[in-house]
Amino acid sequence: GQQLNQSPQSMFIQEGEDVSMNCTSSSIFNTWLWYKQDPGEGPVLLIALYKAGELTSNGRLTAQFGITRKDSFLNISASIPSDVGIYFCSGNSGGSNYKLTFGKGTLLTVNP
Amino acid sequence: DGGITQSPKYLFRKEGQNVTLSCEQNLNHDAMYWYRQDPGQGLRLIYYSQIVNDFQKGDIAEGYSVSREKKESFPLTVTSAQKNPTAFYLCASTGRDNQPQHFGDGTRLSIL
Repeated sequence: GQQLNQSPQSMFIQEGEDVSMNCTSSSIFNTWLWYKQDPGEGPVLLIALYKAGELTSNGRLTAQFGITRKDSFLNISASIPSDVGIYFCSGNSGGSNYKLTFGKGTLLTVNP
Repeated sequence: DGGITQSPKYLFRKEGQNVTLSCEQNLNHDAMYWYRQDPGQGLRLIYYSQIVNDFQKGDIAEGYSVSREKKESFPLTVTSAQKNPTAFYLCASTGRDNQPQHFGDGTRLSIL
């Protein structure tokens, strides 16, 4: 089946630092989605990308849909303690979101 | 408020027992999904349903069963055939037109 390689697996940063994480796919995706999960809760959508090359921001978060359609990255600028959590990338190759493939997540820890 | 409600938040299963996890949505979404999450793993798809009275197996359907008798409801039964049921279970839904999946807050299942 499809695989998503998400890296890094975990990150420990100081408050105020910028963060970058990425995902690569073994196949072409039509949609990339980035989610954040707090402990004991469900993932919450951060950014949705639908077009190769698309660069989208949501506050301090910026994500891009790679031009090869096989990768995406998420940047967080000026991190704050509430950024702590697990960030997941996910994608769909079938033109709809009826089935998504998920990366294994990046665990972000922010030291005040 | 519109959303996805999963219950119970915590559930315990005895050996040989079937348990049912509830998922209800009032978003008028057509498609619903069940995922299993284990520590350090991404989300793995158990079952999904694109329309009432129809559902398909995901990547790890063995030991699980579902029904979709109503658009709003997609209960998951963890049967005694699932030998390693301890996990965090997440329900999601999406409407048509390439919309992202929205998640409930999960049910944590443990073995007594």
